[in-house]
Amino acid sequence: RKEVEQDPGPFNVPEGATVAFNCTYSNSASQSFFWYRQDCRKEPKLLMSVYSSGNEDGRFTAQLNRASQYISLLIRDSKLSDSATYLCVVKGSASKIIFGSGTRLSIRP
Amino acid sequence: EPEVTQTPSHQVTQMGQEVILRCVPISNHLYFYWYRQILGQKVEFLVSFYNNEISEKSEIFDDQFSVERPDGSNFTLKIRSTKLEDSAMYFCASSEAHGGAAGELFFGEGSRLTVL
Repeated sequence: RKEVEQDPGPFNVPEGATVAFNCTYSNSASQSFFWYRQDCRKEPKLLMSVYSSGNEDGRFTAQLNRASQYISLLIRDSKLSDSATYLCVVKGSASKIIFGSGTRLSIRP
Repeated sequence: EPEVTQTPSHQVTQMGQEVILRCVPISNHLYFYWYRQILGQKVEFLVSFYNNEISEKSEIFDDQFSVERPDGSNFTLKIRSTKLEDSAMYFCASSEAHGGAAGELFFGEGSRLTVL
């Protein structure tokens, strides 16, 4: 089983739609979780950390289910500028931080 | 806003040559990382570095790779004898702490390595 697994997409949705991404991780001892965003040929940038109780930042909501080893990201009222690859990132033991392969999102007008 | 800086932005080299990629992490950060991303593929962990030594490394980080923090600011990745398959974007990252929200990574813009 991959350490961090994501649906690669692509997701192609109209502007204003709500879209959700999922991510599973294999190491039950994982400590911290993040969603990063990567634009084409650019470096990954932090979108949001994921907290145990779930957290929201504007149109973005992240959820963590430790029992199922599952993380999700919900984007409401999607904008054209949301088009990017979304990377699920899991910090395992020690100092190893693993990226999922990413989910590509394309928002169409 | 503090940022991670990397040089060079692009390097072209011949197979078998040595390459050094340089990074200046954010000044108060304590943990440093190198990742690579082959075009169209995922971001892969190479190595993490803390307190002047390697904390963890992946299977990719074999004997041809080494890292060093030669002074208080630079963090370098050396590839001793480059192979065609080393062609990739190499990202340096740093973080303030290991865990929690402060464990988030800040990335440089990357160094694109092309091996001919």
